[in-house]
Amino acid sequence: GNSVTQMEGPVTLSEEAFLTINCTYTATGYPSLFWYVQYPGEGLQLLLKATKADDKGSNKGFEATYRKETTSFHLEKGSVQVSDSAVYFCALMISNFGNEKLTFGTGTRLTIIP
Amino acid sequence: GAGVSQTPSNKVTEKGKYVELRCDPISGHTALYWYRQSLGQGPEFLIYFQGTGAADDSGLPNDRFFAVRPEGSVSTLKIQRTERGDSAVYLCASSLGPGSYEQYFGPGTRLTVT
Repeated sequence: GNSVTQMEGPVTLSEEAFLTINCTYTATGYPSLFWYVQYPGEGLQLLLKATKADDKGSNKGFEATYRKETTSFHLEKGSVQVSDSAVYFCALMISNFGNEKLTFGTGTRLTIIP
Repeated sequence: GAGVSQTPSNKVTEKGKYVELRCDPISGHTALYWYRQSLGQGPEFLIYFQGTGAADDSGLPNDRFFAVRPEGSVSTLKIQRTERGDSAVYLCASSLGPGSYEQYFGPGTRLTVT
């Protein structure tokens, strides 16, 4: 079956620190990969995506590269801000006759302290 | 424009009761998904609608759970004979349809079964 394993939290960093949240996947097929973010009091929203190997998704200073050889999609940001405090979910999708259901990891809570 | 809305935002019910959770997707979105998020976990897929039909209900945990989308827009998730283990946040997401990749999530309904 399909599964996503991501770095357990919580993660606490100081402002302007470098961030990495690890994500690896297992999939029967060729998945698309996503990072979703949930800010306090808000719904899940798409942060970035990559649909094929070696693609790099990027948004709001965050980046992740689809590495097929290591089945990974690690999230990185060079200099985090307090406003980045949220829960981050790695997810995969394998489109099956139009069904694009997402398989999520357990989430990583990130707290940035000033 | 309006995003995905879900009602109620919170629902407390007694064990054994019946509940209905409503989802209003973004106008024009043909694909609709229901997910369930237990505490400390990522969302788990329940059911996928393309138009009015349930194209994949493989994630529904048992026959106490049922969902409909009679006119291809609003969807209702129905849970009969609720159990304490049904307590979770129920999320709805919609998308433009196959190939669109991005799912837009609602704020969720927090269901508590006492």
